Amino acid sequence: DQQVKQNSPSLSVQEGRISILNCDYTNSMFDYFLWYKKYPAEGPTFLISISSIKDKNEDGRFTVFLNKSAKHLSLHIVPSQPGDSAVYFCAASRYKLIFGTGTLLAVQP
Amino acid sequence: DTGVSQDPRHKITKRGQNVTFRCDPISEHNRLYWYRQTLGQGPEFLTYFQNEAQLEKSRLLSDRFSAERPKGSFSTLEIQRTEQGDSAMYLCASSLEASGGAPETQYFGPGTRLLVL
Repeated sequence: DQQVKQNSPSLSVQEGRISILNCDYTNSMFDYFLWYKKYPAEGPTFLISISSIKDKNEDGRFTVFLNKSAKHLSLHIVPSQPGDSAVYFCAASRYKLIFGTGTLLAVQP
Repeated sequence: DTGVSQDPRHKITKRGQNVTFRCDPISEHNRLYWYRQTLGQGPEFLTYFQNEAQLEKSRLLSDRFSAERPKGSFSTLEIQRTEQGDSAMYLCASSLEASGGAPETQYFGPGTRLLVL
């Protein structure tokens, strides 16, 4: 069973616009959520996280929103840049990470 | 110390051979995790250590897989009698156990890409 789902395998946005990546989870026991960015043949790079006691966390161009009642989180990137093009994974944690299947973001110049 | 390192970065082997991968975590991190990623999937948890103690093993980790973390520093992951289905990216991550059960962030190494022919 897929406890963490990213239903959009890919997303294409124009440079300067907003990118919104979505993630759903099923287990209400998760207490920490993270977003990672991954380039081919490299390990995931940590981007931003949010604790289950919060509903928003912001770091520069990246903002993560958590809706616990809907078991949904999203990552907003504003403004999007071509260097943001990568696969983005959301992960849920109770110590070990449970990952979604990723969304490939392509930012067009 | 610049982050988690893994060695080798790439490994090609023939079916039936044994392989061993090494992970060096961030020096002050006491937790170390192994994950496996196959094409089109997110990383999947294999096992984790707190200091030198292996605290959990996934059911993905068959008896051909063994992991160690002697002295609570670097870790090795060995696969015996490799099969073509073992071909994947093997990722190592480390974290520092937070006080009071606070959330902790895992930092990943570059991975070891294994190809079993």
